[in-house]
Amino acid sequence: RKEVEQDPGPFNVPEGATVAFNCTYSNSASQSFFWYRQDCRKEPKLLMSVYSSGNEDGRFTAQLNRASQYISLLIRDSKLSDSATYLCVVNSGGYQKVTFGTGTKLQVIP
Amino acid sequence: GAVVSQHPSWVICKSGTSVKIECRSLDFQATTMFWYRQFPKQSLMLMATSNEGSKATYEQGVEKDKFLINHASLTLSTLTVTSAHPEDSSFYICSARRQGEGDTQYFGPGTRLTVL
Repeated sequence: RKEVEQDPGPFNVPEGATVAFNCTYSNSASQSFFWYRQDCRKEPKLLMSVYSSGNEDGRFTAQLNRASQYISLLIRDSKLSDSATYLCVVNSGGYQKVTFGTGTKLQVIP
Repeated sequence: GAVVSQHPSWVICKSGTSVKIECRSLDFQATTMFWYRQFPKQSLMLMATSNEGSKATYEQGVEKDKFLINHASLTLSTLTVTSAHPEDSSFYICSARRQGEGDTQYFGPGTRLTVL
């Protein structure tokens, strides 16, 4: 089983739709979780950290489910500019190392 | 704040030559810097972790003699791809961790290496 797994997609959704991605992780001792966004041929940019209590930033909501070992990202009222690959990142090996998922591609359609 | 730069952004070289890529944290001191490689349609793969003043820690399968990492200061790390071959063609991205911000990493814009 991979350390961090994501559905690669693509998720094709119409503008204004709500879309959710999940990311599962295998190491139950993982402590830190993040969602990054990566546009084609660009570097990843931090979207939001994921806290145990959940985290909301505008149209974006991140949740952590430790019992089932997954994190989720919910995007409401999708915009065309949300089209990107969303990377799940987990601290799975101690302080120094984080592991990236393979990413979920989102395409918002007019 | 938290800007990371990389230079060059794009390089084409002949097989057998060496290429040096610089990673700089412009407005903060980076306690740790990371080097990643990303092949098309794949995720970032960590190559090595670099702490200022000490030897880099390489991930399994990454040749330390081929990918030389020097972390000379708290704001600069370099990756040298020695004797590059076409299979080394990839997108190389560095990231830096800022003191006091836990595991958050700030990424450079990446360097696209093409080896002919």
